[in-house]
Amino acid sequence: DGGITQSPKYLFRKEGQNVTLSCEQNLNHDAMYWYRQDPGQGLRLIYYSQIVNDFQKGDIAEGYSVSREKKESFPLTVTSAQKNPTAFYLCASIRQPTSGGSTGELFFGEGSRLTVL
Amino acid sequence: AQSVTQPDIHITVSEGASLELRCNYSYGATPYLFWYVQSPGQGLQLLLKYFSGDTLVQGIKGFEAEFKRSQSSFNLRKPSVHWSDAAEYFCAVATKTSYDKVIFGPGTSLSVIP
Repeated sequence: DGGITQSPKYLFRKEGQNVTLSCEQNLNHDAMYWYRQDPGQGLRLIYYSQIVNDFQKGDIAEGYSVSREKKESFPLTVTSAQKNPTAFYLCASIRQPTSGGSTGELFFGEGSRLTVL
Repeated sequence: AQSVTQPDIHITVSEGASLELRCNYSYGATPYLFWYVQSPGQGLQLLLKYFSGDTLVQGIKGFEAEFKRSQSSFNLRKPSVHWSDAAEYFCAVATKTSYDKVIFGPGTSLSVIP
């Protein structure tokens, strides 16, 4: 079955360290997203990519970096510049637009929980 | 700017009781509307979506939602809640011209009393 795989599910980081969260999809979706989720704040967009080798900052990109070298992969690096990185991170992709219209329906991975020690 | 509000942060209902979760959006044109559900520690799953046509939309797990243009609302309903429905529910909006710019509401946490 097609889907989105995030790893690791749980990750612990010491202050000052960079960590990379993996996101792989086999849905053949062009666009991929990274969201951050904190209690009571819903989902906030970090970065998104609509095509290989191109990506855009979302609302809270500071302290994060991404790459999109392959259609299937969109890894997120949480850098030491991110002041409060403890959160639940969700990767998603969007269904292809159909002819004559678009969808906006997101498909999500299971998430990665990052804790800074 | 587009926005989505979910007035209820937390709702508690008894098992078997009916449920309505509220969602209001702010946008000039008719948007694409979604409801997602999230179990603890999991990703989000699509419950239902509205693009056009019939304003009463049926989804999975017995949920339905009604789009009311005059009220800019897209409330989620279920006639009889099951204990397994306890989760976080998110309303979301996208537009035809910017289908990849999905905006989420803050979420409503649902607790179910046996």
